[in-house]
Amino acid sequence: DSGVTQTPKHLITATGQRVTLRCSPRSGDLSVYWYQQSLDQGLQFLIHYYNGEERAKGNILERFSAQQFPDLHSELNLSSLELGDSALYFCASNREGLDEQFFGPGTRLTVL
Amino acid sequence: EDQVTQSPEALRLQEGESSSLNCSYTVSGLRGLFWYRQDPGKGPEFLFTLYSAGEEKEKERLKATLTKKESFLHITAPKPEDSATYLCAARTEPELTFGGGTRLMVKP
Repeated sequence: DSGVTQTPKHLITATGQRVTLRCSPRSGDLSVYWYQQSLDQGLQFLIHYYNGEERAKGNILERFSAQQFPDLHSELNLSSLELGDSALYFCASNREGLDEQFFGPGTRLTVL
Repeated sequence: EDQVTQSPEALRLQEGESSSLNCSYTVSGLRGLFWYRQDPGKGPEFLFTLYSAGEEKEKERLKATLTKKESFLHITAPKPEDSATYLCAARTEPELTFGGGTRLMVKP
């Protein structure tokens, strides 16, 4: 158990819909990273938040957005969903000054 | 563009048969090379961080090494419970760039 929690574990929805994925970092970690893992693309970095502020964006679609709240939990919002958005979505966190990122158990999103 | 490539994509070993997994990277300004283990449907589990060429780290049957262009994960006398996908990742900015992984299957 890494100490990073994600909900829900599974999510099944239809094309065109909007969903929200939630992540709570390890206690004391200020950074949250979101990654997408699909069969053909592997693990891809989406976005990084540090203490409530966006720090970096990777291959994140405009239909996707995220935020980090004052209690440091983060939400990833996915809208106008397409079949190709079906994937595992992971968040990770790390402690300031340390490089190792610890991953949550992931949310499996299925778009039908 | 930063690139991380892992080989082989899949590896089948008999229990006790030692082998190595390769991770080659082309990045500007490497700030760490990471190895993770991932079981099906689960999140990556942190194994090692390496920072400079010549560095080695060990944990049970696993040893990770780093050169200027590659990293190797050596598995000595593997057991069936070592079956998993092993991912390497390079850090240039705070986020990680991952390779495609090596799926390791160890047969009893």
